[in-house]
Amino acid sequence: DTGVSQNPRHKITKRGQNVTFRCDPISEHNRLYWYRQTLGQGPEFLTYFQNEAQLEKSRLLSDRFSAERPKGSFSTLEIQRTEQGDSAMYLCASSLVPPRGRGQETQYFGPGTRLLVL
Amino acid sequence: AQSVAQPEDQVNVAEGNPLTVKCTYSVSGNPYLFWYVQYPNRGLQFLLKYITGDNLVKGSYGFEAEFNKSQTSFHLKKPSALVSDSALYFCAVRDIRDSNYQLIWGAGTKLIIKP
Repeated sequence: DTGVSQNPRHKITKRGQNVTFRCDPISEHNRLYWYRQTLGQGPEFLTYFQNEAQLEKSRLLSDRFSAERPKGSFSTLEIQRTEQGDSAMYLCASSLVPPRGRGQETQYFGPGTRLLVL
Repeated sequence: AQSVAQPEDQVNVAEGNPLTVKCTYSVSGNPYLFWYVQYPNRGLQFLLKYITGDNLVKGSYGFEAEFNKSQTSFHLKKPSALVSDSALYFCAVRDIRDSNYQLIWGAGTKLIIKP
């Protein structure tokens, strides 16, 4: 399967614990995005990487959230000191932006990681 | 400000009938427009996109969408609905002048196809 994969698919944790999610993008894709989605809402942008560089973070992203993409391949999203309000589906997407790309590229999404904070 | 509106929270259609899921947008420049579908407890699947050229775009699973610049709309259509089309549909737009290529998402429309 050459699509975007995410692990784990489900995570239940207690408030105050740290959690880490992993995303493996489509292999040749240079962009990787993280989104959060709550029930009945569209995806909410969190952050994105161009290769290994994190180019933008949403202002909604608190300092408890951190993301990395070492070597420009897989990415991890860590949430420290989880709160009940962090319960959501966390989506990863990847895309291939050509050197002179003008935003035509399509983002392909993984299946998501559903987080429940008790 | 850039925005996407999906005016209907839910659309109900009988199987075999044509369906339309509405989307309107607002961007400063010219838009790139996308439709995605989400099945329960799944990630989003790309359906189709409008970049330039023919205003009628054909996509996966028999869906198509028509770009209307004067009405700033990009409605999703299918001539004959299937029960398996029941899902959540999201419209998204990107301003071609946005160097960060950020997608602006609608809130989604739940499509229910009744047998």
